[in-house]
Amino acid sequence: AQKVTQAQTEISVVEKEDVTLDCVYETRDTTYYLFWYKQPPSGELVFLIRRNSFDEQNEISGRYSWNFQKSTSSFNFTITASQVVDSAVYFCALSEASGGTSYGKLTFGQGTILTVHP
Amino acid sequence: GAVVSQHPSWVICKSGTSVKIECRSLDFQATTMFWYRQFPKQSLMLMATSNEGSKATYEQGVEKDKFLINHASLTLSTLTVTSAHPEDSSFYICSARIVGSPLHFGNGTRLTVT
Repeated sequence: AQKVTQAQTEISVVEKEDVTLDCVYETRDTTYYLFWYKQPPSGELVFLIRRNSFDEQNEISGRYSWNFQKSTSSFNFTITASQVVDSAVYFCALSEASGGTSYGKLTFGQGTILTVHP
Repeated sequence: GAVVSQHPSWVICKSGTSVKIECRSLDFQATTMFWYRQFPKQSLMLMATSNEGSKATYEQGVEKDKFLINHASLTLSTLTVTSAHPEDSSFYICSARIVGSPLHFGNGTRLTVT
């Protein structure tokens, strides 16, 4: 069975601080996808990133960066120079790889509530 | 990019009535859609997989007779909450699968049963 753990329930930072959200996962699949989504108070899920298990390169997108460590089954997310607009719930999720019939069935972590204070 | 539209955004209904939620893929065909439920301050849990032209596959613990799913076309899946009760009050959100592409979600439906 798949499992995603986000150990940090809530994080509070002051604007311009860097913050890292942790994500650890468990799966028996040899190939899989990892995702991060942002859920603002309005409720919609905003897609941030999808990472294939074969691709361990770290990725940077503006102030966002992701560190994928297959050896420790972790896929951590860092926001650099946080802003008030980053305040939201962030979910890490796991899915079977794209060619599988279960692709798209996401197992979500518990979510991390990030509050950025001005 | 792929867009998934969900309607209504919110609905309030009386206990015992049924509510239908629509999930549409606007610019692509989706043979498979997924329905999730999120209780307040909790994570999202998969309820069922909706397959075009066939019966939905429900996750363990989800009552198929209570949560009716219909996927009659390649662009529309509907979730009907039958005989709703206050404990069904939740945030329901759908996603559509395009193999090889990121998963896109609808904006969700907030259901309140009074």
